[in-house]
Amino acid sequence: DAGVTQSPTHLIKTRGQQVTLRCSPKSGHDTVSWYQQALGQGPQFIFQYYEEEERQRGNFPDRFSGHQFPNYSSELNVNALLLGDSALYLCASSGGGHQETQYFGPGTRLLVL
Amino acid sequence: DAKTTQPNSMESNEEEPVHLPCNHSTISGTDYIHWYRQLPSQGPEYVIHGLTSNVNNRMASLAIAEDRKSSTLILHRATLRDAAVYYCILRDYKGGGSNYKLTFGKGTLLTVNP
Repeated sequence: DAGVTQSPTHLIKTRGQQVTLRCSPKSGHDTVSWYQQALGQGPQFIFQYYEEEERQRGNFPDRFSGHQFPNYSSELNVNALLLGDSALYLCASSGGGHQETQYFGPGTRLLVL
Repeated sequence: DAKTTQPNSMESNEEEPVHLPCNHSTISGTDYIHWYRQLPSQGPEYVIHGLTSNVNNRMASLAIAEDRKSSTLILHRATLRDAAVYYCILRDYKGGGSNYKLTFGKGTLLTVNP
């Protein structure tokens, strides 16, 4: 059983560009949460998707948006990239009988130049 | 969100027990105590969680103070693979299954010496 997978693993963009990151949840999970982890810090919650809708949102600007597909996979989109958006972006899945724990993927390392 | 306080770093020797403390004096009655760890270059990994009673699983034990204002994660025999950042997190149970977010602090960096 594959765990949470994310793509791509690494990405380099320039300021002002847009980026899309992808996440496939663990089999049987219906909830996907996204986190941003800056270097040396703990992950910060961006938002959570359930039943194809954004259910909760952290303190992130509207430049950060997402989507969840009928197969529960999810995308994170960031527009108008800033240097400060450079971070590790983590996807976590939960639900389907394992509601009390979130299972994290390996993350996508984004570098904005 | 309720806040936790952990030491920035701790050191242990291989095959010895490790006790990682966490203070959460503002914990509410519905907050679950979760522990995650993050190995280098990996995403966080669930370790254990509990509400009031002490908990054991194959990875670790969680000892919760009677007043719930502190807890301790216990690794019974540390291995080199246990070197990681350990996060103590309070999860507010909203009664909606997976409807919750995790609020991470900076965690405790555990170094295990051979």
